[in-house]
Amino acid sequence: GQNIDQPTEMTATEGAIVQINCTYQTSGFNGLFWYQQHAGEAPTFLSYNVLDGLEEKGRFSSFLSRSKGYSYLLLKELQMKDSASYLCAVGSGTYKYIFGTGTRLKVLA
Amino acid sequence: EADIYQTPRYLVIGTGKKITLECSQTMGHDKMYWYQQDPGMELHLIHYSYGVNSTEKGDLSSESTVSRIRTEHFPLTLESARPSHTSQYLCASSVAGRVYNEQFFGPGTRLTVL
Repeated sequence: GQNIDQPTEMTATEGAIVQINCTYQTSGFNGLFWYQQHAGEAPTFLSYNVLDGLEEKGRFSSFLSRSKGYSYLLLKELQMKDSASYLCAVGSGTYKYIFGTGTRLKVLA
Repeated sequence: EADIYQTPRYLVIGTGKKITLECSQTMGHDKMYWYQQDPGMELHLIHYSYGVNSTEKGDLSSESTVSRIRTEHFPLTLESARPSHTSQYLCASSVAGRVYNEQFFGPGTRLTVL
């Protein structure tokens, strides 16, 4: 079957660093996406990894290990506005994306 | 900034009614998608399209239909709404080119079927 696992909820303090993990088992793999979704809003794109390694984008970085079926999203210098759900999604099969249930991050002052 | 629109934003309707959820994008994207998302749950693909007159069913498509007559427009129709259809419906689009590209999501339609 196809499966993506993420922690349901995480809590961190403003200014800290947090790592959100994602493991996947899919029938195909054409890249891994991270999206941010604030409550009641649409997801917005954060990052895309198709090769192993780390992609850095300002305060956000994403890592991929295809052999381990593993990715993480690293958020540095956390701000209150980073409180949101973070969705891991895998491109699997023709035009099809498999989404995880998301990790709800709470940033505390 | 993404230009993808959905109407209505909120809809409360009775069982058995036929409804159409509208989705339009002004980015010229070839690929468009419909997802269903319940609170705290993953997005489930309902339908997708990779161009005009091309549509495919996703995982939860059996009770709905879509059409793609124009590039910018991808409406979703429920022929007979049921309480089990109560959910958030998200439309998305992406450019062609690479097999997978980032998706731009609309603001969603929150549907309640009584």
